[in-house]
Amino acid sequence: NAGVTQTPKFQVLKTGQSMTLQCAQDMNHNSMYWYRQDPGMGLRLIYYSASEGTTDKGEVPNGYNVSRLNKREFSLRLESAAPSQTSVYFCASRVLAVQETQYFGPGTRLLVL
Amino acid sequence: EDKVVQSPLSLVVHEGDTVTLNCSYEVTNFRSLLWYKQEKKAPTFLFMLTSSGIEKKSGRLSSILDKKELFSILNITATQTGDSAVYLCATSMEYGNKLVFGAGTILRVKS
Repeated sequence: NAGVTQTPKFQVLKTGQSMTLQCAQDMNHNSMYWYRQDPGMGLRLIYYSASEGTTDKGEVPNGYNVSRLNKREFSLRLESAAPSQTSVYFCASRVLAVQETQYFGPGTRLLVL
Repeated sequence: EDKVVQSPLSLVVHEGDTVTLNCSYEVTNFRSLLWYKQEKKAPTFLFMLTSSGIEKKSGRLSSILDKKELFSILNITATQTGDSAVYLCATSMEYGNKLVFGAGTILRVKS
């Protein structure tokens, strides 16, 4: 059981470039989440997917798009990267309904120049 | 707007000290409060609290929730250098699938 995996671990982009962050979980969880973490600001929700086929905006969705490809995979796309998107990105998943705990991936460190 | 506030933002203690981390919240339709520990990588789950006054304990860590005053504390006794981390507090709501996180408390334990 790998849990939640993310690729890449680290990426440098130039302003205006695009990229997709990949996330996969092998725990058969229904819900998946994308967060960004900036110093002093905790984890802020970008987008989430309550179940396969649905996605919803979180607190800071501007500049991002997501795709819930299947139950296992949830990708985050930056169409035109900006320096303000320099951050650490975490993917998380959890079983729907009563279990509150979210399980986090190892994170992707993104630097936009 | 749902809000979770943690204090202090950071603290430095010596090994063996006891620390108390605070988390207050203002959220609609509160369901549970969760504590996570983050050591340079992904947050790892510590506790989930749903009922007031019932202490959850795991080794030297313990936590309690006060739903009347809308806060929780995380206590760490006999701190060790391995306790150095960011401690995150989050709340879940009755409706929806989201967690709302506080900014975290950075704890550094010096030997």
